[in-house]
Amino acid sequence: DSGVTQTPKHLITATGQRVTLRCSPRSGDLSVYWYQQSLDQGLQFLIQYYNGEERAKGNILERFSAQQFPDLHSELNLSSLELGDSALYFCASSPRVGGYTGELFFGEGSRLTVL
Amino acid sequence: GQQLNQSPQSMFIQEGEDVSMNCTSSSIFNTWLWYKQDPGEGPVLLIALYKAGELTSNGRLTAQFGITRKDSFLNISASIPSDVGIYFCAGQETNTGNQFYFGTGTSLTVIP
Repeated sequence: DSGVTQTPKHLITATGQRVTLRCSPRSGDLSVYWYQQSLDQGLQFLIQYYNGEERAKGNILERFSAQQFPDLHSELNLSSLELGDSALYFCASSPRVGGYTGELFFGEGSRLTVL
Repeated sequence: GQQLNQSPQSMFIQEGEDVSMNCTSSSIFNTWLWYKQDPGEGPVLLIALYKAGELTSNGRLTAQFGITRKDSFLNISASIPSDVGIYFCAGQETNTGNQFYFGTGTSLTVIP
């Protein structure tokens, strides 16, 4: 158990809909990262937050957005869903940012299926 | 974004054999991480490396941070069936907001 909690574990929805994925980082970790992993693909970086502020953006679509709340949990919002958005979405947290940083710990992922 | 080249893409080995895989990048990293992912699950951190030339072991696993800081290696000795899975490398550079970049993965199959 990495200490990173993601909900829901599975989600099935229709094209055009909107979903929200939730992540609770490890206790004390200020950084949260979101990744997308499509079938048999590697991990694509979407976005990073540190202590409530956006730090870095990867290949995140405009239909996707995220935020990190004061209690450090994060949500990834996916809207106007398309078939190609079906994937595993992972949240990861890291204990510190800047200079010599710590490891990256992953949750078990949220599997999104768009029909 | 940054691309990490990980090789080999897949490996089929006999139980008991040793395994080697590596990752290379086009830029310098200050951290290298190695992960194992089982199907449908999240990547699990195996080894973290923070210093050029560093050699770190975790049981039968040994990883090294390349001296150029642009590569890293993972070795698995005396493979067993539970080593099956996909292994990912990840590198981090500080000048892009501490973003982590991932390799494309090495799929390992161990034949009993």
